[in-house]
Amino acid sequence: QVQLVQSGAEVKKPGASVKVSCKASGYTFTASAIHWVRQAPGQRLEWMGWVNTANGNTKYSWRFQGRVTFTRDTSASTAYMDLSSLSSEDTAVYYCAKEGFPGAGLDYWGQGILVTVSS
Amino acid sequence: QSALTQPPSASGSPGQSVTISCTGTSSDVGGYKYVSWYQQHPGKAPKLMIYEVNKRPSGVPDRFSGSKSGNTASLTVSGLQAEDEADYYCSSYVGSDNYVFGLGTRVTVL
Repeated sequence: QVQLVQSGAEVKKPGASVKVSCKASGYTFTASAIHWVRQAPGQRLEWMGWVNTANGNTKYSWRFQGRVTFTRDTSASTAYMDLSSLSSEDTAVYYCAKEGFPGAGLDYWGQGILVTVSS
Repeated sequence: QSALTQPPSASGSPGQSVTISCTGTSSDVGGYKYVSWYQQHPGKAPKLMIYEVNKRPSGVPDRFSGSKSGNTASLTVSGLQAEDEADYYCSSYVGSDNYVFGLGTRVTVL
């Protein structure tokens, strides 16, 4: 069965960076893009961008442009999200999600990980 | 790109229907067929309920249906059940490989 398993919770200080992983199984990793979505406590879902797992091309939401980097390791079927210059406003649950096919929605999601930014 | 507009809350009694709207512009909801809906229970990851405006993924009950008129998409839940109580989010393609989510709607089963 399709699964996306994310790394564990993180606590970071303001100004630091965080790297989150998302390991995929149960399907061909390079056949579907991986999107990243975050949700601050009690707030709405916020789309961050996506990575083409076949060729590594990326698209970032303008909100995170310059501060976020998506990469992937096809040999490990794992996608990564690196967010820098953290502030308290980045405290949120970060999800990875697999795209069904272009435009068809995000059909499988990781369990989400809480990133807490606190001094 | 601003978040799509959804009512903060909606409610209905068991067995009734509830419809949630998702309003955007001609640059997002009105301009593309790529509107999706997600259900999220507290503390859980979102679940895809509708994609491409009105298509249901395998395993989603046919009580859930989607539609679109102009710049507004809608999700209707018919025959409300207790387990339908959750937050619902719409999402739309906005061009140039970008997407946006709605503000979210909390559905309460009375």
